[in-house]
Order: sequence, then structure tokens, then C-alpha cells
Amino acid sequence: SQQGEEDPQALSIQEGENATMNCSYKTSINNLQWYRQNSGRGLVHLILIRSNEREKHSGRLRVTLDTSKKSSSLLITASRAADTASYFCAKGGTSYGKLTFGQGTILTVHP
Amino acid sequence: SQTIHQWPATLVQPVGSPLSLECTVEGTSNPNLYWYRQAAGRGLQLLFYSVGIGQISSEVPQNLSASRPQDRQFILSSKKLLLSDSGFYLCACTNTGRIGYTFGSGTRLTVV
Repeated sequence: SQQGEEDPQALSIQEGENATMNCSYKTSINNLQWYRQNSGRGLVHLILIRSNEREKHSGRLRVTLDTSKKSSSLLITASRAADTASYFCAKGGTSYGKLTFGQGTILTVHP
Repeated sequence: SQTIHQWPATLVQPVGSPLSLECTVEGTSNPNLYWYRQAAGRGLQLLFYSVGIGQISSEVPQNLSASRPQDRQFILSSKKLLLSDSGFYLCACTNTGRIGYTFGSGTRLTVV
């Protein structure tokens, strides 16, 4: 079964609002990563949080990790129309750098 | 920085025809390489990965195969395509000490 299930499946907000996406997983992880995919394009790495970290920031992105609940969240603050994309969490194990991706959240930011 | 070149961008092939998708990497050496497939509106499924020349591991049994003839070249092949092989194919790489994957721009394969 897939690891890294995202919630919600789709999110529609207005420009300037914050967007929060959640990710759950089932087995232990080495790290958890978030990626963005614009329609019909490849994925772009956003941020990585290691299993011994609880929170990381990168620009308007904030990622939290709760290993006791096996969940992570991605917060995009002050969203822009250009943030419209699909967002995926990916569970990183220790085996050859393989990542297991969730189903993704489709974010639409209306101008 | 490392970049991935993937081609073609789109491909329409009849059922039963062969397939060859190529991915080349620049800006790094001895990368780990991966082929993923993405069905419409869904997540990515890992198909193959390689940690070195000639070393290929398959994640799911299927109609596809992969090869790595050179350090920075990764090829996805099929002898006879099925309708179910349609999808968006993505090549990715990572390397020791590097955070995250670098993805190619993908190939949209439609089998008709």
C-alpha cells in the first residue's frame, strides 16, 4: 500500500490565505520530503525534514513532523496564484535513497 | 547543479509496439537513478532503481525493463506495449550528500 497519504485531496483558497496540507505514513522513516508538481511537469523538491527534527522553515514554507502520530504537515503562508500546483509528500527510508510518494494534494490559489 | 534530460516529451504508440525512453544526467557522477510512473491525477509509483552501471532493481513485476549502460544514462524499455502502460514517466536522480531528488520533465506515453 502507498505510504505518505495526503489530506485533503484538493484545496482551493484565495491569494493571501495560508494553505495547510497533511501527510500520514505507516512505517518508520528516515526522512520525509515535500515536492511540488506543476501540471504536466516534473516534480521539484521543496523541503526535507529528518526523523529527529520537528519543524523546518524555508521561505514561506513551514513543515512539521510528528513521529509519534506518523504525520507531517506543509504550511504555505501568504499564498500566491503561482503556488497553484500538486504537492506530494514522500517517505524516505534507508534503502538506496528510495522514496515512496503519496497521492498528492491539488492546491488551487485564486487571484 | 545536477540536471536531468528526458525525452521524448510526448509519445503515442500502438499496442504491441516497442518502447525506449531515455534519461541522461548532468552535473554529477555515480548517481542513484529511478524510473517512476504517474497515472493521471495520482501519485508516483516506483518502477526501477539503479545504484550503479548495470545494476537494476525492479519494484513491480510488469511489462517493462530498465538498463543503465553508462553511469549517467538510464533507459526504460518494453518489447510490446500494453494499454495499461499509458502514463507519465519520470526519471529522477539523487546522490550521496544531496538532499532530495532531481526530476526530469517527464514523458507522456499514450498507448492506443
